[in-house]
Amino acid sequence: LAKTTQPISMDSYEGQEVNITCSHNNIATNDYITWYQQFPSQGPRFIIQGYKTKVTNEVASLFIPADRKSSTLSLPRVSLSDTAVYYCLVVDSGGYNKLIFGAGTRLAVHP
Amino acid sequence: EAQVTQNPRYLITVTGKKLTVTCSQNMNHEYMSWYRQDPGLGLRQIYYSMNVEVTDKGDVPEGYKVSRKEKRNFPLILESPSPNQTSLYFCASRPGTNTEAFFGQGTRLTVV
Repeated sequence: LAKTTQPISMDSYEGQEVNITCSHNNIATNDYITWYQQFPSQGPRFIIQGYKTKVTNEVASLFIPADRKSSTLSLPRVSLSDTAVYYCLVVDSGGYNKLIFGAGTRLAVHP
Repeated sequence: EAQVTQNPRYLITVTGKKLTVTCSQNMNHEYMSWYRQDPGLGLRQIYYSMNVEVTDKGDVPEGYKVSRKEKRNFPLILESPSPNQTSLYFCASRPGTNTEAFFGQGTRLTVV
């Protein structure tokens, strides 16, 4: 299972775009990249998932370069309510793919 | 509304008194799992189930039991709770491989 590395914490201000980069050097061919968001004392919530290039939904964009050894979660125009922990996961598409959560990135959005 | 429901949300109990935390999902998902979350240790998987009557250990199964007699329910059983099982517990479900997981609201357990 590919291990992921992401910054422990980030700070931003309301209205700014936030980019959180995740490194996964040992990603395998069958692996997908998935991001979750977690607020204090709540369960993680799925944000976005991708395999390569760019994926966009109503919440975020996910950029994955051709070598897939990293990915960047982009949150446009953050607000105070985006303050949370963001987890990058690499998930095997075959078999039972256990979700392994690392330490995540603690994002603090300031007024 | 599609959801994963855990009960109770909060529980304080004494060492050795058996307890069960229930988890139910209404999405007909095959996969269900239990996690515990502790400060500095992140989310760790306790047990998982790929379908009815199919369960397996996760990373920290000691002191826990599970059962999957029905597709929608996946209870977590602590036969003899100890203080080191004080934690925040989450149940999750998903349709199959490589899919979005849905988490419950969490159960905060304190064992004294």
